[in-house]
Amino acid sequence: EVQLVESGGGLVQPGRSLRLSCTASGFTFGNYAMSWVRQAPGKGLEWVDFIRSTAYGGTTEYAASVKGRFTISRDDSKSIAYLQMNSLKTEDTAVYYCTRVGGGGSGWPDDYWGQGTLVTVSS
Amino acid sequence: EVVMTQSPATLSVSPGERATLSCRASQSVSSNLAWYQQKPGQAPRLLIYGESTRATGIPARFSGSGSGTEFTLTISSLQSEDFAVYYCQQYSNWPRTFGQGTKVEIK
Repeated sequence: EVQLVESGGGLVQPGRSLRLSCTASGFTFGNYAMSWVRQAPGKGLEWVDFIRSTAYGGTTEYAASVKGRFTISRDDSKSIAYLQMNSLKTEDTAVYYCTRVGGGGSGWPDDYWGQGTLVTVSS
Repeated sequence: EVVMTQSPATLSVSPGERATLSCRASQSVSSNLAWYQQKPGQAPRLLIYGESTRATGIPARFSGSGSGTEFTLTISSLQSEDFAVYYCQQYSNWPRTFGQGTKVEIK
């Protein structure tokens, strides 16, 4: 059974940093791209970033709203994806979902989702 | 950026009736279109991808159609567990983008 478990969320002040982790199980992590999608309270879904599998170069993509502040990475030996969030803004407040992409590269949807972790940016 | 527009914003349907949800892309996304279902307090769940392929475990009452810029999700006979918010997403171009969602509520 595919499982994705996010951790690391919480309350953080504007301008500070936070790192989210997504621990995966039930599949060969290294074969899949991974992504983060967020949802502000009462709002719709917003794609955040994406990392290809190592076989596809492990390259990354970012939404304009987070580019230069957020970094997605992966540790295939531990089956963990990370989201390093720097220079946080109040508008980054959201539930952050880790997703598995259906293949190693782009061209696949988000086929499994974690339960999400809440990040609140407030002074 | 490809803008995804869903209609209607809210759809009121009686159990057992058919529901038809629409999604329009501001430019062609070929067949790289997915539909997700989200219930309150839960993570989204993949329903349909590649226009019309049902994800694992998705009942046959869910179907997708369309290509290019116009897409439709049809729920043939609404069950109580189908009342939720539905999102379309294009994964053809960067950034990936979602529609604003259609809420399917009980009439």
